[in-house]
Amino acid sequence: AQSVTQLGSHVSVSEGALVLLRCNYSSSVPPYLFWYVQYPNQGLQLLLKYTTGATLVKGINGFEAEFKKSETSFHLTKPSAHMSDAAEYFCAVSEVQGGYQKVTFGIGTKLQVIP
Amino acid sequence: DTEVTQTPKHLVMGMTNKKSLKCEQHMGHRAMYWYKQKAKKPPELMFVYSYEKLSINESVPSRFSPECPNSSLLNLHLHALQPEDSALYLCASSNDRGFYEQYFGPGTRLTVT
Repeated sequence: AQSVTQLGSHVSVSEGALVLLRCNYSSSVPPYLFWYVQYPNQGLQLLLKYTTGATLVKGINGFEAEFKKSETSFHLTKPSAHMSDAAEYFCAVSEVQGGYQKVTFGIGTKLQVIP
Repeated sequence: DTEVTQTPKHLVMGMTNKKSLKCEQHMGHRAMYWYKQKAKKPPELMFVYSYEKLSINESVPSRFSPECPNSSLLNLHLHALQPEDSALYLCASSNDRGFYEQYFGPGTRLTVT
Protein backbone atom coordinates (compact mmCIF):
# COMPACT_ATOMS: atom_id res chain seq x y z
CA ALA A 1 0.00 0.00 0.00
CA GLN A 2 1.18 3.49 -0.75
CA SER A 3 1.65 6.16 1.91
CA VAL A 4 3.00 9.67 2.37
CA THR A 5 4.68 11.25 5.39
CA GLN A 6 4.95 15.00 5.66
CA LEU A 7 7.37 16.10 8.36
CA GLY A 8 6.13 19.16 10.17
CA SER A 9 2.45 20.07 10.24
CA HIS A 10 3.41 23.74 10.62
CA VAL A 11 6.36 25.55 9.07
CA SER A 12 7.15 29.24 9.58
CA VAL A 13 9.56 31.18 7.41
CA SER A 14 10.40 34.84 7.04
CA GLU A 15 9.46 36.63 3.85
CA GLY A 16 12.37 36.21 1.41
CA ALA A 17 13.71 33.08 3.14
CA LEU A 18 14.02 29.61 1.69
CA VAL A 19 10.93 27.43 1.87
CA LEU A 20 11.51 23.70 2.45
CA LEU A 21 8.57 21.35 2.96
CA ARG A 22 9.45 17.70 3.48
CA CYS A 23 7.72 14.67 2.04
CA ASN A 24 8.65 11.00 2.12
CA TYR A 25 6.66 8.34 0.37
CA SER A 26 6.19 4.61 0.29
CA SER A 27 5.01 2.84 -2.82
CA SER A 28 5.30 -0.68 -4.16
CA VAL A 29 5.45 0.54 -7.75
CA PRO A 30 7.24 3.48 -9.38
CA PRO A 31 5.35 6.39 -7.88
CA TYR A 32 3.51 9.30 -9.35
CA LEU A 33 4.10 12.15 -6.89
CA PHE A 34 2.33 15.46 -6.55
CA TRP A 35 2.33 18.62 -4.49
CA TYR A 36 -0.95 20.48 -4.11
CA VAL A 37 -1.62 23.84 -2.44
CA GLN A 38 -4.86 24.79 -0.73
CA TYR A 39 -5.79 28.33 0.24
CA PRO A 40 -8.44 28.82 2.95
CA ASN A 41 -11.92 27.69 1.91
CA GLN A 42 -10.75 26.71 -1.56
CA GLY A 43 -10.08 23.53 -3.48
CA LEU A 44 -6.66 22.05 -4.15
CA GLN A 45 -4.45 23.42 -6.90
CA LEU A 46 -1.69 21.35 -8.46
CA LEU A 47 1.75 22.89 -7.88
CA LEU A 48 3.85 20.27 -9.61
CA LYS A 49 4.12 16.57 -10.37
CA TYR A 50 6.72 13.86 -10.89
CA THR A 51 5.88 10.97 -13.16
CA THR A 52 8.98 9.84 -15.07
CA GLY A 53 12.10 11.45 -16.48
CA ALA A 54 13.87 14.43 -14.97
CA THR A 55 14.02 14.18 -11.21
CA LEU A 56 14.03 17.95 -10.61
CA VAL A 57 10.53 19.17 -11.32
CA LYS A 58 9.56 22.81 -11.67
CA GLY A 59 6.08 23.98 -10.86
CA ILE A 60 4.01 27.10 -10.65
CA ASN A 61 4.72 30.13 -8.46
CA GLY A 62 8.47 29.44 -8.34
CA PHE A 63 8.23 26.09 -6.54
CA GLU A 64 10.26 23.04 -7.41
CA ALA A 65 10.74 19.54 -6.02
CA GLU A 66 13.34 16.84 -6.43
CA PHE A 67 12.51 13.15 -6.62
CA LYS A 68 15.14 11.12 -4.80
CA LYS A 69 14.46 7.43 -5.16
CA SER A 70 17.26 6.36 -2.80
CA GLU A 71 15.79 8.52 -0.04
CA THR A 72 12.13 7.96 -1.04
CA SER A 73 11.71 11.71 -0.79
CA PHE A 74 10.01 14.46 -2.77
CA HIS A 75 10.72 17.67 -0.86
CA LEU A 76 9.23 20.97 -2.03
CA THR A 77 11.38 24.11 -2.16
CA LYS A 78 11.17 27.75 -3.12
CA PRO A 79 14.20 30.05 -2.91
CA SER A 80 12.37 33.10 -1.59
CA ALA A 81 9.05 33.05 0.26
CA HIS A 82 6.31 35.55 -0.51
CA MET A 83 3.42 36.48 1.76
CA SER A 84 1.08 35.00 -0.85
CA ASP A 85 2.67 31.55 -0.31
CA ALA A 86 0.95 31.21 3.07
CA ALA A 87 -1.34 28.20 2.61
CA GLU A 88 -1.69 24.47 3.30
CA TYR A 89 0.51 22.19 1.20
CA PHE A 90 -0.26 18.53 0.55
CA CYS A 91 2.14 15.95 -0.80
CA ALA A 92 0.43 13.05 -2.55
CA VAL A 93 1.28 9.72 -4.16
CA SER A 94 -0.97 7.98 -6.62
CA GLU A 95 -1.56 4.63 -8.23
CA VAL A 96 -3.18 4.49 -11.61
CA GLN A 97 -5.90 1.87 -11.73
CA GLY A 98 -7.63 1.26 -15.04
CA GLY A 99 -8.32 4.81 -16.12
CA TYR A 100 -8.37 6.64 -12.79
CA GLN A 101 -6.06 7.54 -9.95
CA LYS A 102 -6.20 6.45 -6.39
CA VAL A 103 -4.46 9.25 -4.52
CA THR A 104 -3.09 9.12 -1.00
CA PHE A 105 -2.49 12.51 0.59
CA GLY A 106 -0.12 13.41 3.39
CA ILE A 107 -1.50 15.16 6.45
CA GLY A 108 -0.57 18.56 5.08
CA THR A 109 1.88 21.28 6.10
CA LYS A 110 0.62 24.73 6.94
CA LEU A 111 3.10 27.32 5.75
CA GLN A 112 3.20 30.61 7.62
CA VAL A 113 5.17 33.50 6.10
CA ILE A 114 6.31 36.15 8.56
CA PRO A 115 6.78 39.70 7.25
CA ASP B 1 -10.94 25.32 -19.91
CA THR B 2 -9.35 23.64 -16.89
CA GLU B 3 -12.13 24.40 -14.47
CA VAL B 4 -14.19 22.16 -12.25
CA THR B 5 -17.26 23.92 -10.91
CA GLN B 6 -19.26 23.00 -7.82
CA THR B 7 -22.62 24.21 -6.58
CA PRO B 8 -23.68 25.35 -4.12
CA LYS B 9 -20.70 27.00 -2.48
CA HIS B 10 -22.28 26.75 0.97
CA LEU B 11 -25.10 24.52 2.21
CA VAL B 12 -26.79 24.33 5.59
CA MET B 13 -29.19 21.45 6.07
CA GLY B 14 -31.07 19.77 8.86
CA MET B 15 -30.73 16.11 9.65
CA THR B 16 -34.05 15.27 7.99
CA ASN B 17 -33.42 17.20 4.77
CA LYS B 18 -32.56 15.87 1.34
CA LYS B 19 -30.15 17.92 -0.72
CA SER B 20 -27.73 17.45 -3.61
CA LEU B 21 -24.26 18.69 -4.42
CA LYS B 22 -23.35 19.21 -8.07
CA CYS B 23 -20.06 19.09 -9.93
CA GLU B 24 -19.34 19.82 -13.57
CA GLN B 25 -16.29 19.71 -15.82
CA HIS B 26 -15.86 20.28 -19.54
CA MET B 27 -12.31 19.04 -19.97
CA GLY B 28 -13.35 15.70 -21.45
CA HIS B 29 -12.16 13.88 -18.34
CA ARG B 30 -13.58 10.40 -17.89
CA ALA B 31 -12.81 9.99 -14.18
CA MET B 32 -14.52 12.02 -11.47
CA TYR B 33 -14.08 11.91 -7.72
CA TRP B 34 -15.79 12.97 -4.50
CA TYR B 35 -13.67 13.78 -1.47
CA LYS B 36 -14.61 14.82 2.05
CA GLN B 37 -12.28 17.17 3.92
CA LYS B 38 -12.58 17.95 7.60
CA ALA B 39 -10.84 20.98 9.08
CA LYS B 40 -7.06 20.68 9.28
CA LYS B 41 -7.12 17.25 7.60
CA PRO B 42 -6.27 16.03 4.10
CA PRO B 43 -9.04 15.13 1.67
CA GLU B 44 -10.48 11.63 2.12
CA LEU B 45 -11.64 9.78 -0.96
CA MET B 46 -15.32 8.86 -0.98
CA PHE B 47 -16.20 7.76 -4.52
CA VAL B 48 -14.59 7.37 -7.94
CA TYR B 49 -16.47 7.22 -11.21
CA SER B 50 -14.64 6.04 -14.31
CA TYR B 51 -16.49 6.19 -17.64
CA GLU B 52 -19.69 6.99 -15.73
CA LYS B 53 -19.45 3.77 -13.72
CA LEU B 54 -18.84 3.66 -9.98
CA SER B 55 -15.34 2.22 -9.58
CA ILE B 56 -14.57 2.94 -5.92
CA ASN B 57 -16.81 3.35 -2.90
CA GLU B 58 -14.64 3.80 0.16
CA SER B 59 -17.16 2.29 2.57
CA VAL B 60 -19.17 5.49 2.62
CA PRO B 61 -22.48 5.41 4.58
CA SER B 62 -25.58 5.02 2.43
CA ARG B 63 -26.83 8.47 3.45
CA PHE B 64 -24.40 9.65 0.74
CA SER B 65 -25.50 8.57 -2.73
CA PRO B 66 -23.41 9.47 -5.80
CA GLU B 67 -24.72 9.76 -9.31
CA CYS B 68 -22.97 10.34 -12.63
CA PRO B 69 -25.65 11.29 -15.21
CA ASN B 70 -23.10 11.86 -17.98
CA SER B 71 -19.38 12.31 -18.53
CA SER B 72 -19.45 15.98 -17.47
CA LEU B 73 -21.63 15.85 -14.38
CA LEU B 74 -21.30 14.32 -10.95
CA ASN B 75 -23.86 14.62 -8.18
CA LEU B 76 -23.80 13.71 -4.51
CA HIS B 77 -27.25 13.18 -2.99
CA LEU B 78 -27.50 13.72 0.74
CA HIS B 79 -30.18 12.36 3.05
CA ALA B 80 -30.50 12.02 6.83
CA LEU B 81 -27.02 13.36 7.47
CA GLN B 82 -25.44 13.68 10.89
CA PRO B 83 -23.68 16.74 12.35
CA GLU B 84 -20.34 14.93 11.99
CA ASP B 85 -20.88 14.96 8.21
CA SER B 86 -20.25 18.70 8.23
CA ALA B 87 -17.16 19.25 6.08
CA LEU B 88 -15.84 20.64 2.82
CA TYR B 89 -16.87 18.36 -0.05
CA LEU B 90 -14.50 18.47 -2.99
CA CYS B 91 -15.05 17.22 -6.50
CA ALA B 92 -12.16 16.41 -8.82
CA SER B 93 -11.64 15.04 -12.30
CA SER B 94 -8.79 13.49 -14.26
CA ASN B 95 -8.24 12.16 -17.74
CA ASP B 96 -7.67 8.55 -18.70
CA ARG B 97 -4.38 9.02 -20.47
CA GLY B 98 -1.12 10.67 -19.61
CA PHE B 99 -0.33 11.15 -15.99
CA TYR B 100 -3.72 11.62 -14.48
CA GLU B 101 -3.28 14.70 -12.32
CA GLN B 102 -6.53 15.63 -10.68
CA TYR B 103 -8.22 18.97 -11.12
CA PHE B 104 -10.21 20.08 -8.08
CA GLY B 105 -13.27 22.23 -7.76
CA PRO B 106 -13.57 24.92 -5.07
CA GLY B 107 -15.70 22.71 -2.85
CA THR B 108 -19.05 22.92 -1.10
CA ARG B 109 -18.94 23.84 2.59
CA LEU B 110 -21.66 21.69 4.19
CA THR B 111 -23.04 22.32 7.66
CA VAL B 112 -25.50 19.82 9.15
CA THR B 113 -27.59 21.19 12.01
